[in-house]
Amino acid sequence: DTGVSQDPRHKITKRGQNVTFRCDPISEHNRLYWYRQTLGQGPEFLTYFQNEAQLEKSRLLSDRFSAERPKGSFSTLEIQRTEQGDSAMYLCASSLFGIGQAHRDTGELFFGEGSRLTVL
Amino acid sequence: AQTVTQSQPEMSVQEAETVTLSCTYDTSESNYYLFWYKQPPSRQMILVIRQEAYKQQNATENRFSVNFQKAAKSFSLKISDSQLGDTAMYFCAYALSYNTDKLIFGTGTRLQVFP
Repeated sequence: DTGVSQDPRHKITKRGQNVTFRCDPISEHNRLYWYRQTLGQGPEFLTYFQNEAQLEKSRLLSDRFSAERPKGSFSTLEIQRTEQGDSAMYLCASSLFGIGQAHRDTGELFFGEGSRLTVL
Repeated sequence: AQTVTQSQPEMSVQEAETVTLSCTYDTSESNYYLFWYKQPPSRQMILVIRQEAYKQQNATENRFSVNFQKAAKSFSLKISDSQLGDTAMYFCAYALSYNTDKLIFGTGTRLQVFP
């Protein structure tokens, strides 16, 4: 399978624990995105990497959240001291072309199936 | 701030019929992109169609077409000859064409195609 893969697919944790999600993008894609989706809502942007550089972060990404992409390949999203409000689906996506690039494929994000977090 | 509104939480259509999903957005910018993404049950989200705001011609992709009304800030998706596989959540999304790679999504419309 050459799509975006996310691990784990489902994580149940107790409030106050730390959790880490991993995303493996499509290999030739240099752009990687994290979104959060809660029930009944559309995905909300969290952060974005171009190669290993984190170029944009949402205000939703509080100081309990940290994302890394150390070698410009896979990425991790860590949530420290989880709260019940962190329960959501965390979506990872990758792309080859950014939004503003003059290419027919601009803006096409390839999403993984998501990592569902349940905080008890 | 840019916002995207999808006012139809749920829609249904019979197989082979045509259905239109609505989307409105709010922006003060003139250069941007609009997208429709599809999220089938328990599967990953995929791009259905995109529209560049500077293009007046409505985008089409096989059975999918859009009605882009820039002045009205409206971007509807028409699905012709609906198929059972079109059953999914459909999200409208907006993105500026510069200085960002962030998509802003609407709340989605759940489309059910029945036989």
